[in-house]
Order: sequence, then C-alpha cells, then structure tokens
Amino acid sequence: AQKITQTQPGMFVQEKEAVTLDCTYDTSDQSYGLFWYKQPSSGEMIFLIYQGSYDEQNATEGRYSLNFQKARKSANLVISASQLGDSAMYFCAMREGVQGGKLIFGQGTELSVKP
Amino acid sequence: AAGVIQSPRHLIKEKRETATLKCYPIPRHDTVYWYQQGPGQDPQFLISFYEKMQSDKGSIPDRFSAQQFSDYHSELNMSSLELGDSALYFCASSLVGHLHKNIQYFGAGTRLSVL
Repeated sequence: AQKITQTQPGMFVQEKEAVTLDCTYDTSDQSYGLFWYKQPSSGEMIFLIYQGSYDEQNATEGRYSLNFQKARKSANLVISASQLGDSAMYFCAMREGVQGGKLIFGQGTELSVKP
Repeated sequence: AAGVIQSPRHLIKEKRETATLKCYPIPRHDTVYWYQQGPGQDPQFLISFYEKMQSDKGSIPDRFSAQQFSDYHSELNMSSLELGDSALYFCASSLVGHLHKNIQYFGAGTRLSVL
C-alpha cells in the first residue's frame, strides 16, 4: 500500500533563508505523481509543485523546488528566500498512476518563518 | 483564473441532522474529488467522480452520499450527523489524461461543526 511520511512535525526558519521539508514515500507502482500543498491557518489547500515519477528534471516553481531522489523514494520541498507569508502547514501527497486517482497525504510539517 | 468553488464556507448542524455541501469544479475539469480533514489531521479521501460517474470510493460512511450533476457540479450529502463528522471538507477538481499532470486543485473548503 502506498504511504507518505513526513518526519518533521514542525520547522523554524529565519526570514530570507532557505528551508527543506522532508518527504519520503512508499509505492510499488512505477508510475506515480508527487505533490506539495500549502495550508495556511485560514484553511485552504494551495497547490505548490508537482513531480511525475518519469520526470528526469527536478520540478521548480518560482521559490519552490522539489528535490526528487527516486532511488531513495524521497521528494523533499525546498523553499528559497523564506518569507513571513510562508508560515503554514505543508503537506506532501502522492497519486498512483497517471490517470485520475486519489491523493494520499503525509502528516504535514508546520513551518514557522521568523522575522 | 477560475477556481473550485465550495458552498457554504461554514455550516453548523445539530446531531442527527442532515447537511449538503456543494462543489463547483474548475471549468472543463472532468474529475471531482471529496476529502475530509479532521482537526490536526491530514486530508482523507472520501469519493471521486469522473465524467459524472463514481470513479473511486474511500472511507466514506454509509450515511454519506455524493453525486455529480450534468453541469459537473457535485454535492456531498451527509445524514444522521455525528459529533465526529465535524471537520473541514474539501472538494478538488482535475483534468485527467496522459497529456495532463492531473493536478488536483482544491476549493477553500466547508467547515462543518456538529453540535
């Protein structure tokens, strides 16, 4: 069965510094997608970045990049130049297959950015 | 760009009452998903619809039912509400197909409180 593990319940980072949020996954599928979502205290779930299992390049979206290490089954999120508005809960999620399918979420990491 | 619209944003019900949550997916998206997020928990998949047909089912109680209508909006019906149903309910939509990343975009959620 597929599983997502986020081992950091909480993280602190100084404003303008970079931070890495860890995510490991387990699946027997060869084809899958990995996602990161941000959930601010207001509750909405905001899509940040996507990595397909066959993508050879690490995904990047502005200040977000995904450090994808397939052999180690890890998909860490790197946020560069942290901003106060980055303070939120961050969820790593996985979808098996390339077609429509449910997301399995990790437990989340709460990131706090210090001024 | 249009996003996923959920209504109502907040709902307060008494035990044993019924509730109906509505979701309007992003235009042209063909798949709708429902998730339940309990306090301090990660989102859990309930049910999904592809082109108005149920495509997958998760840990959805028998007291809950859902459908997708001809205009692609979806409704989650919850009956005999229990205290444990208090949660944030998300609807997400995506466009499925091998040319698409099948990214699920979430609505702002409906916060249900059962008293």
